[in-house]
Amino acid sequence: KAGVTQTPRYLIKTRGQQVTLSCSPISGHRSVSWYQQTPGQGLQFLFEYFSETQRNKGNFPGRFSGRQFSNSRSEMNVSTLELGDSALYLCASSETTNTGELFFGEGSRLTVL
Amino acid sequence: AQSVAQPEDQVNVAEGNPLTVKCTYSVSGNPYLFWYVQYPNRGLQFLLKYITGDNLVKGSYGFEAEFNKSQTSFHLKKPSALVSDSALYFCAVRDWEGSYIPTFGRGTSLIVHP
Repeated sequence: KAGVTQTPRYLIKTRGQQVTLSCSPISGHRSVSWYQQTPGQGLQFLFEYFSETQRNKGNFPGRFSGRQFSNSRSEMNVSTLELGDSALYLCASSETTNTGELFFGEGSRLTVL
Repeated sequence: AQSVAQPEDQVNVAEGNPLTVKCTYSVSGNPYLFWYVQYPNRGLQFLLKYITGDNLVKGSYGFEAEFNKSQTSFHLKKPSALVSDSALYFCAVRDWEGSYIPTFGRGTSLIVHP
């Protein structure tokens, strides 16, 4: 099986712009989660989607949004970028059980100038 | 509520020596516990998990972890460290009856010296 695929891998934006990141989960996985990773804050949960519905949401401002499509692919969007949004954004997919581990993509590294 | 603590930001060990990366957790019910590893500029990779049963769990690359309910710990161990084990290690916990979202520790950087 192919792993979790995230695009783009690297991107540079300027303050005030918006960005869209894409994630294709492992085939058959219906849950997709997004995390922000920074050196200072570690791994912070953004949101989780299951069957096109946001099932869980972390403590991030409304500038961060996401969606999931019928084929389980997911996108996240950050509007009005701030310098502090520079981070590695990780997508993870999992089977629909509480015991299942997460399968992470390689991440999208966003730099905001 | 669930939480995880990794008390060491960095662990240094010589190649060939045993290594331990510490993790303690807090949950309302019973825990599901996970260890992940992250190499530079990569995503996290699953190493092992404890769901129920034997307290000693064996995982990938020769790693194992011991679940200790009384000490609420789940330390990651390996009998003989390799330089290639140098990476960032994350412990994560889910409550049996909580949400599907695990809580991650802040990570421990393992450095194995030749």
